[in-house]
Amino acid sequence: AQSVTQPDIHITVSEGASLELRCNYSYGATPYLFWYVQSPGQGLQLLLKYFSGDTLVQGIKGFEAEFKRSQSSFNLRKPSVHWSDAAEYFCAVGAMDDYKLSFGAGTTVTVRA
Amino acid sequence: ETGVTQSPTHLIKTRGQQVTLRCSSQSGHNTVSWYQQALGQGPQFIFQYYREEENGRGNFPPRFSGLQFPNYSSELNVNALELDDSALYLCASSDGTGGPQHFGDGTRLSIL
Repeated sequence: AQSVTQPDIHITVSEGASLELRCNYSYGATPYLFWYVQSPGQGLQLLLKYFSGDTLVQGIKGFEAEFKRSQSSFNLRKPSVHWSDAAEYFCAVGAMDDYKLSFGAGTTVTVRA
Repeated sequence: ETGVTQSPTHLIKTRGQQVTLRCSSQSGHNTVSWYQQALGQGPQFIFQYYREEENGRGNFPPRFSGLQFPNYSSELNVNALELDDSALYLCASSDGTGGPQHFGDGTRLSIL
C-alpha cells in the first residue's frame, strides 16, 4: 500500500527566509510524486510533480523539490518565502498506471513579518 | 481552458438525508476522481471514474456512489448521511495520459 508522511505539522518561517518541507513516501514501485498547496477555503493547486528523469524538479511560485529514492523522500524547498506562501502544503504519491493519489496529513506554513 | 468547477459551494444536511455533489471536469480530461478532506487532514481517495466506468475505489462504504456522464462531468452521491461525513469534498480531473490531477475548490458539506 502507498502512504505519505509529512513529519512537520506546522512550520513558522520569517519572510525572506528559506523554507523546506519534508515528505517521506512508501510505495512498492516507481512513484509519481506531487506537491499541492491549499489556501483557506480553497481547493488544491499543483506546485510541481515528479514522474521520472531529473530528480530536481522546478515548480510554480519559485518552489523546487528533490526526489531521493534512497531516502524515499521528496522534500519541497523555496529559497525566500513571501507572506503569500502562508498556506497548507500537501505531498502526494500515486502509481504510474493510475491516478489514485495518497496524501500526507499536510504541513501548515505560517509566515511572520 | 476552463478549470474544474464544483457545485454547490456549501451545503448543510441532517443525518439520514441524501446528497448529490456535482463536478465539471477540465476541458479535455476524461478521468475524474473524488476525495474527502476532513478538517485538519489530507484528502482521502473515494473513487475514480474513467470514461463513465468506476476505475478504482478507496475505503469508503457503498452508500458513497458516483456517476460520470458522456461529457465527463461527474456526480458524487452519499446516502444515509452521518455526522462523520462532514468534510470538504474535492473533485479532480486528469487527461488519462499520465498528467497530474487538477482540483476544483470543493464542496463544503456540513451534517447537523
